[in-house]
Amino acid sequence: EAGVAQSPRYKIIEKRQSVAFWCNPISGHATLYWYQQILGQGPKLLIQFQNNGVVDDSQLPKDRFSAERLKGVDSTLKIQPAKLEDSAVYLCASSLGRNDQYFGPGTRLTVT
Amino acid sequence: GQSLEQPSEVTAVEGAIVQINCTYQTSGFYGLSWYQQHDGGAPTFLSYNALDGLEETGRFSSFLSRSDSYGYLLLQELQMKDSASYFCAVKAAGNKLTFGGGTRVLVKP
Repeated sequence: EAGVAQSPRYKIIEKRQSVAFWCNPISGHATLYWYQQILGQGPKLLIQFQNNGVVDDSQLPKDRFSAERLKGVDSTLKIQPAKLEDSAVYLCASSLGRNDQYFGPGTRLTVT
Repeated sequence: GQSLEQPSEVTAVEGAIVQINCTYQTSGFYGLSWYQQHDGGAPTFLSYNALDGLEETGRFSSFLSRSDSYGYLLLQELQMKDSASYFCAVKAAGNKLTFGGGTRVLVKP
């Protein structure tokens, strides 16, 4: 069974530029999550989808971050414009709705 | 809201036993999960406790006391490959996870 796929793996941009990350969850997983993990900290939930509907986006900085999950499968997370403090690893995870979440390898974003 | 406390770092030698404690303050608690993350890698699921007591999975065990808002992960027969960060995470309604800051475990020969 293929795992959660993410791209790109690494991205370097300048502040005020925009960037987009892509996630393909495990086939059949209805729930998809985007997390931000700053170096030395635990993952922080940004947004949770159930199929193509948003379940929780209470910690998403909506003035600059947006996410969508079209057709309930793939998802994209966008930052526009980026700030220095957005430098982090962005993790995508998916779940069947049980007790475990499966994480992708993440995208390491550096904002200069 | 949710808050979790766990030690920042633990060092032990191969073959030893390590216990990582996690205390939490939360509303709407469903259970406590543990994840392992190697440097540069993705978090991987280790265990989940919804009820009080000990759950054993091979060399790793996890314990929960809901009345004390406390849990721990026990790593036995430590191996070099166990050097990683370990996160406790509280599960709330809708399968939402809130992670602690992580405990970095360093295993020495």
